[in-house]
Amino acid sequence: EAGVTQFPSHSVIEKGQTVTLRCDPISGHDNLYWYRRVMGKEIKFLLHFVKESKQDESGMPNNRFLAERTGGTYSTLKVQPAELEDSGVYFCASSQKIMETQYFGPGTRLLVL
Amino acid sequence: AQSVTQPDIHITVSEGASLELRCNYSYGATPYLFWYVQSPGQGLQLLLKYFSGDTLVQGIKGFEAEFKRSQSSFNLRKPSVHWSDAAEYFCAVGDFTGGGNKLTFGTGTQLKVEL
Repeated sequence: EAGVTQFPSHSVIEKGQTVTLRCDPISGHDNLYWYRRVMGKEIKFLLHFVKESKQDESGMPNNRFLAERTGGTYSTLKVQPAELEDSGVYFCASSQKIMETQYFGPGTRLLVL
Repeated sequence: AQSVTQPDIHITVSEGASLELRCNYSYGATPYLFWYVQSPGQGLQLLLKYFSGDTLVQGIKGFEAEFKRSQSSFNLRKPSVHWSDAAEYFCAVGDFTGGGNKLTFGTGTQLKVEL
């Protein structure tokens, strides 16, 4: 069974540009989560999808971040326009049901110059 | 709001030595606790979790953790460390209130293993 996959693995962009990160959850997992780790600090929750609906987006830092999960399968996280402080590692995770283990992807390393 | 503290940023142990990584949490209700490990270039892998029941939890790769409510701790242990255990370890508490599933992580402990 394939795990959670994320694309790209690395992205280097300039301040003001747009970047879109993609996450493919484990097949059959209704729950999809985004997290971010900035500059060696703790990993922080961004948001949680149940199928295509946003269950909890309390961790989204501001309106420059837009997450979508059309059709309840893969998800994208767009940052527009990117700022220097957006640099970090963006993790995606999925779980079959709520209150079950979250399985994490390898992360996307974003560097904003 | 819940929080997790991992007081040790870096730990170095010799191969074959025992290991204990500390984790303290703050959470108003019964905590759901996790330990994840991230090896270089890899994603986060679940080592073990505590939801209820026996307070000594066994995980993969020979790791175990003990939940101590009185100390608000969930320390990770391994009796004999292998060089392949070098990685970053994260303790987390889960919040399932409001129909959600949100993990709050500590800042991580980087483990170095000396041969």
